[in-house]
Amino acid sequence: KAGVTQTPRYLIKTRGQQVTLSCSPISGHRSVSWYQQTPGQGLQFLFEYFSETQRNKGNFPGRFSGRQFSNSRSEMNVSTLELGDSALYLCASSPGGLGYNEQFFGPGTRLTVL
Amino acid sequence: AQKVTQAQTEISVVEKEDVTLDCVYETRDTTYYLFWYKQPPSGELVFLIRRNSFDEQNEISGRYSWNFQKSTSSFNFTITASQVVDSAVYFCALSEARRGSQGNLIFGKGTKLSVKP
Repeated sequence: KAGVTQTPRYLIKTRGQQVTLSCSPISGHRSVSWYQQTPGQGLQFLFEYFSETQRNKGNFPGRFSGRQFSNSRSEMNVSTLELGDSALYLCASSPGGLGYNEQFFGPGTRLTVL
Repeated sequence: AQKVTQAQTEISVVEKEDVTLDCVYETRDTTYYLFWYKQPPSGELVFLIRRNSFDEQNEISGRYSWNFQKSTSSFNFTITASQVVDSAVYFCALSEARRGSQGNLIFGKGTKLSVKP
């Protein structure tokens, strides 16, 4: 099975712009979660989507949003970029059904905000 | 509040040494899950192990072993006979069971392990 894929792998943006990151989960996985990783704050949960619905959300401002499509692919969007949004954004997928399943991570998108 | 503490920021060992990475967690839930992930320089988090709160049995997988002790809220990870390829950042994580959700992973700050030849 192919793993979780994320595009693009690297992005450079300037303050005030917006950005969209994409994540394709492992085939058959219906849950997609997003995490932000920075040197200062470490790994922090952004949100989780399952069957096109957001079912869990971390403590991030409204500038961070996401969505999931019927094929389970997910996108996250950050509007009005700030310097502090520079980070590695990781996507994780899991089957998402009954019970608890571990999450499998993609390689991440490294966003640099200038 | 939930919290994961990895007190060791960096550890450096010589190949073939054994090394233990410490993880202490805090949670009020009785049902929760603990994880270890490895992050090599490429950046991708690699799943190593999951433990649920009702299973305190220790686990061994090759050179890796995990010691889960609810009494001390610890979930430590030992690498026996370390190898250069073990060099990475290791994260301990906690997730609380939530109906209808995978829950979110609460990560520790990570321990950077350097194994020198």
